[in-house]
Amino acid sequence: QKEVEQDPGPLSVPEGAIVSLNCTYSNSAFQYFMWYRQYSRKGPELLMYTYSSGNKEDGRFTAQVDKSSKYISLFIRDSQPSDSATYLCAMSVNYGGSQGNLIFGKGTKLSVKP
Amino acid sequence: DAGITQSPRYKITETGRQVTLMCHQTWSHSYMFWYRQDLGHGLRLIYYSAAADITDKGEVSDGYVVSRSKTENFPLTLESATRSQTSVYFCASKDATGPQHFGDGTRLSIL
Repeated sequence: QKEVEQDPGPLSVPEGAIVSLNCTYSNSAFQYFMWYRQYSRKGPELLMYTYSSGNKEDGRFTAQVDKSSKYISLFIRDSQPSDSATYLCAMSVNYGGSQGNLIFGKGTKLSVKP
Repeated sequence: DAGITQSPRYKITETGRQVTLMCHQTWSHSYMFWYRQDLGHGLRLIYYSAAADITDKGEVSDGYVVSRSKTENFPLTLESATRSQTSVYFCASKDATGPQHFGDGTRLSIL
């Protein structure tokens, strides 16, 4: 079993839809959870960053962490064509040393159609 | 406002050649990282560095060498390139408590 599982998609939605992206993980020691957005031929760009369980909201984006289920989600409200990208989840046990290294999901490719 | 820059952006070389990928950051971040991104595998850690002159292996370090004589630079060298090292390479950096920030990558093709 991979440490972090993420459905690669592709996921295609109409403009204005609510998008739900998810990752599951197996290591209960993970405490730091991140979502990155990656446009074609660009590097991953940090979208959301949360510590431990709970929700975090930033504009149209909401990140949720459920440590009891080892499940994290990213919701995108009122999706736009400019949201079309690959979304990567990432997590780590700690911030520094080898335990601060990120474990990534393989990414979900999202396409928002006008 | 340069942030983190990688060079070259594209590189084509032949098997057996030595090739060095450059990474430079202007934030004075202590941590720097090298990843490779391949279809079906996602991002995999090659090497990381916690500070100048401190480096450590990641998941897929065989065939790669790094150095970090200055905080801002973290070059990655393929000593004798193989076709299996054809990939997109990303450099990232972070400070002690923040998340990682990535460069835009180097697309490396080995013929």
